[in-house]
Formats: sequence, C-alpha cells, structure tokens
Amino acid sequence: SAVISQKPSRDICQRGTSLTIQCQVDSQVTMMFWYRQQPGQSLTLIATANQGSEATYESGFVIDKFPISRPNLTFSTLTVSNMSPEDSSIYLCSVVSGGAYEQYFGPGTRLTVT
Amino acid sequence: ILNVEQSPQSLHVQEGDSTNFTCSFPSSNFYALHWYRWETAKSPEALFVMTLNGDEKKKGRISATLNTKEGYSYLYIKGSQPEDSATYLCASPRGSTLGRLYFGRGTQLTVWP
Repeated sequence: SAVISQKPSRDICQRGTSLTIQCQVDSQVTMMFWYRQQPGQSLTLIATANQGSEATYESGFVIDKFPISRPNLTFSTLTVSNMSPEDSSIYLCSVVSGGAYEQYFGPGTRLTVT
Repeated sequence: ILNVEQSPQSLHVQEGDSTNFTCSFPSSNFYALHWYRWETAKSPEALFVMTLNGDEKKKGRISATLNTKEGYSYLYIKGSQPEDSATYLCASPRGSTLGRLYFGRGTQLTVWP
C-alpha cells in the first residue's frame, strides 16, 4: 500500500494568481498521477509525472497551465497557473504501488478561485 | 475517450436497507474495473479491482460483480449503515498503462439512521 499526503488541504485564491500543490508519498514510486474533479463532474486525469522526465499531459491539459515537477521518487508538485473560477476543483495525486492495478489517492486539495 | 457511466447519481436509504449501484463501461479492450469509496475530505479508498468476466468480490457487507461481455459491474451493500454514506466511484483504465483511469461521476449514497 501507499500513504499519500497533500498540501495544502484547501485554499481560496484570487483570479489570475497561481497555486502550487505538493504531493508526498511514503514509498518510492515510478509514476505519479494528477487528477482533478470539477463540481458535478467525474475525476479526470490531468497528467502523469515520471521522475527525471517531462510530465505527459492528457488531452485538454497543457504544461503552461499545469506545470508539474517531479524531483525525486516520493514527491511531486502541480501548479495551477493564472487561475480562473473554472479551476475551482478538488485536485488529487495518485500512485500505483504494490500489485498490478493497486492505485492509491491522496486526500485532495480543495481549491476555490474567486 | 472511454465513457464510464454510473447510476443512480444519488441514493437515500434507511439504515438496514440493502442497495446496489451500476457501473457501465465499453466492453471492448477491457483491462480492469476499479471501485472506490470516497468520503468528504478523505482519500478515495480502494474497494475492489476486478479483471475477469464473472468475477465476484466481497469485503464485509459490500460485494461486486463484473460482466465484461456486456460492460457492466454492480456494487451491492447489504444492511446499509450510516457509516456507509459516501460517494462510490467506478473507474476503468485508459489502455494498458497502469494509473491512467477513466472515472464515472459516482453514486452518492446517504444512509439515514
């Protein structure tokens, strides 16, 4: 199993600013994943973060808006840049650890953009 | 895009009632089906990962079945308790790469004492 922590747990930010979300895992993992859930929508994958290489973004998400860092095998950050109210979401990081298909999630960062 | 659909969107039951939810997914190129339980302000908790057609899994009062040929899975809760109140999510992988999941919108369950 894997235990994941995220910081901050919640924040209220102004339009046009940026927020960096941190994700820490208690074990080394190859890939980390960033998801978001907008109000009333499903959890949606933003990008996959590999240590030592650039993140891979899903359709509809770009690096300029959601830059990701992955400095080591237990840590990653996601920045939400130039925020707008549409960025108000729960952001979660996730890892696959242990057996195949065993996937774990952090508790989420609840972001409100005003 | 892989469409994962869940129904109902929300459900209110009395303590002691049994209930079930449905998750439907495309039956082609199937790899796995995940069920999660998500309480507010907590991490989504993995309930089951199902990979084989006809699979049935059980964890306490919660069980799940899988039909990959017709593309659906059922989650059952027997004798619901207030602590079962949560959003139940199902998800299926985007291809063979681990970790990249398509999620349904979830079923929000409220169990009244």
